[in-house]
Amino acid sequence: EIVLTQSPATLSLSPGERATLSCRASQTVSFYLAWYQQKPGQPPRLLIYDASNRATGIPARFSGSGSGTDFTLTISSLEPEDFAVYYCQHRRNWPLTFGGGTKVEIK
Amino acid sequence: EVQLVESGGGLVQPGGSLRLSCAASGFTFSSFAMSWVRQAPGKGLEWVSTISDSGDKTYYADSVKGRFTISRDNSKNTLYFQMNSLRAEDTAVYYCAKAPPIVVSTFECWGQGTLVTVSS
Repeated sequence: EIVLTQSPATLSLSPGERATLSCRASQTVSFYLAWYQQKPGQPPRLLIYDASNRATGIPARFSGSGSGTDFTLTISSLEPEDFAVYYCQHRRNWPLTFGGGTKVEIK
Repeated sequence: EVQLVESGGGLVQPGGSLRLSCAASGFTFSSFAMSWVRQAPGKGLEWVSTISDSGDKTYYADSVKGRFTISRDNSKNTLYFQMNSLRAEDTAVYYCAKAPPIVVSTFECWGQGTLVTVSS
């Protein structure tokens, strides 16, 4: 099973700041990595698939990069609605796994 | 607009059974893989099962293999999840999720979830 480790666990930032979230895989997942955003009481929302492709309707301030074992989700300038928990997920093989999440909170 | 509406959750005793349903609309259900993902209270996301568009291929997490069964009825646009031998650790919100085109194992759209509580 591929283990995904997200860091930091919590990121305290102000609106307008840049957020950089990390996801590291225990073995290569090639480019088969997705990012999701989840707000309290809501289901997750797909942001990025296959490392760097924005899902439909996702603003350009969200970008993904990386391949192999190291991946980054960047939010170029935080909007108030971006404060949430973010999860990475691989689809390299079965079983699919998620990272433990990074909470982006208002500083 | 894609809609996924889960139902069937509730309180069940350890060792009991539940059947979840997910009614799909707004897309050609028979063309997309579907999955169940769960989230224990206050915890992260856990993939539990995926079924191919035609239903001929199924995949399970080790934590539920042999106890849970995913299935679908493409004529009714409905996804199912039969959960047997339930344990306390199965307590979670269960989401159904639709895959994007071609890719089986990414979760493009999600339902609102249904809560399953396993407790005596």
